[in-house]
Amino acid sequence: DQQVKQNSPSLSVQEGRISILNCDYTNSMFDYFLWYKKYPAEGPTFLISISSIKDKNEDGRFTVFLNKSAKHLSLHIVPSQPGDSAVYFCAASGGYGGATNKLIFGTGTLLAVQP
Amino acid sequence: DTAVSQTPKYLVTQMGNDKSIKCEQNLGHDTMYWYKQDSKKFLKIMFSYNNKELIINETVPNRFSPKSPDKAHLNLHINSLELGDSAVYFCASSPRMGVGNQPQHFGDGTRLSIL
Repeated sequence: DQQVKQNSPSLSVQEGRISILNCDYTNSMFDYFLWYKKYPAEGPTFLISISSIKDKNEDGRFTVFLNKSAKHLSLHIVPSQPGDSAVYFCAASGGYGGATNKLIFGTGTLLAVQP
Repeated sequence: DTAVSQTPKYLVTQMGNDKSIKCEQNLGHDTMYWYKQDSKKFLKIMFSYNNKELIINETVPNRFSPKSPDKAHLNLHINSLELGDSAVYFCASSPRMGVGNQPQHFGDGTRLSIL
């Protein structure tokens, strides 16, 4: 039962353009959504998060949008840079009573930013 | 200064052996986690400890036994290793229980290969 899905295993964009990574979820009780970035042979690194009571959160070049009715969130990176090339994981938490620190991860999207 | 460090980085061993993976965090966090990333790249939580107390045990076989001697360390001992245990194991920590504005910090992973 995969509650967090990233249907695009990979994405390629040109440097300077916008990267849009998508994530869908099934559990309407999730109360936080997070994006992590992962380079090869390293652990995931937190990028940005959004509370379920908001529909947008912005941090520099990174913006996360949440559409609760569609159970969909997206990460926008503008402008994309070659150093952004990595695997991006969507994660969700909440909806499990007291265990709100349990993260449910998607399978990741490999972003390649071409110079 | 590595915030969350795991040892060893690579572990190759025979089926049936017992092995341990160590994790230490120097962030002063209360909560620590073990995640498993399998061959399909699913990153799934196994255990969570808060201040040395077991909080989450995600139906992991009892061959896996986490041990937290203090809140800065969470080790993972695996008995009678099986082929299906081959994966990358990630340790993580967060300031306290709860996510959102308290993201989890991950180590670089331990790649376990069972021959």
